[in-house]
Amino acid sequence: NAGVTQTPKFQVLKTGQSMTLQCAQDMNHEYMSWYRQDPGMGLRLIHYSVGAGITDQGEVPNGYNVSRSTTEDFPLRLLSAAPSQTSVYFCASSKRQGAWEQYFGPGTRLTVT
Amino acid sequence: GNSVTQMEGPVTLSEEAFLTINCTYTATGYPSLFWYVQYPGEGLQLLLKATKADDKGSNKGFEATYRKETTSFHLEKGSVQVSDSAVYFCALSGNQGGKLIFGQGTELSVKP
Repeated sequence: NAGVTQTPKFQVLKTGQSMTLQCAQDMNHEYMSWYRQDPGMGLRLIHYSVGAGITDQGEVPNGYNVSRSTTEDFPLRLLSAAPSQTSVYFCASSKRQGAWEQYFGPGTRLTVT
Repeated sequence: GNSVTQMEGPVTLSEEAFLTINCTYTATGYPSLFWYVQYPGEGLQLLLKATKADDKGSNKGFEATYRKETTSFHLEKGSVQVSDSAVYFCALSGNQGGKLIFGQGTELSVKP
């Protein structure tokens, strides 16, 4: 199993550009989520999905869109990048049972200039 | 709302020293509690978990006990190694599962 994979590892954008961060998992997990990590703030939930076709907002959803057309994939779209979106982005997945232990991808480091 | 507070870092210890990283939480109901570890340049890995009061999670020599009376989940290790140098995150998930609330992270540096 590859687990949770994310691409790209690094990205530099100019203000106003759009892009999609890719996330895929091969563990047949129903639940997937996106977090951003900023210094001194831990990780904050952006969007999440409890299954294909179902998404919802987390703590910091503004400026981001998601969709979940398959169980395996959960892309995060930045519609018009802003410097405030400079961060490290992590995708995570879990089964919808027990303690919902989440497995994290390696992250995407995004810089918006 | 739910929240997690961790002790400030960075924490610097000598090899074989005793480690405690404090974590307290605020939550309604009966959350599950987690410790995640992040090594430099990597994603987060689940270190240990506890799902109900008085449960003790343990892994790789690390332990933490779910204390409902003090709303705490402190991480301990009896003898740290250089390879334990990382950032440690305390987190909780509420009754609905899934949504993790993280503390701000504590950076640990272990010197030989």
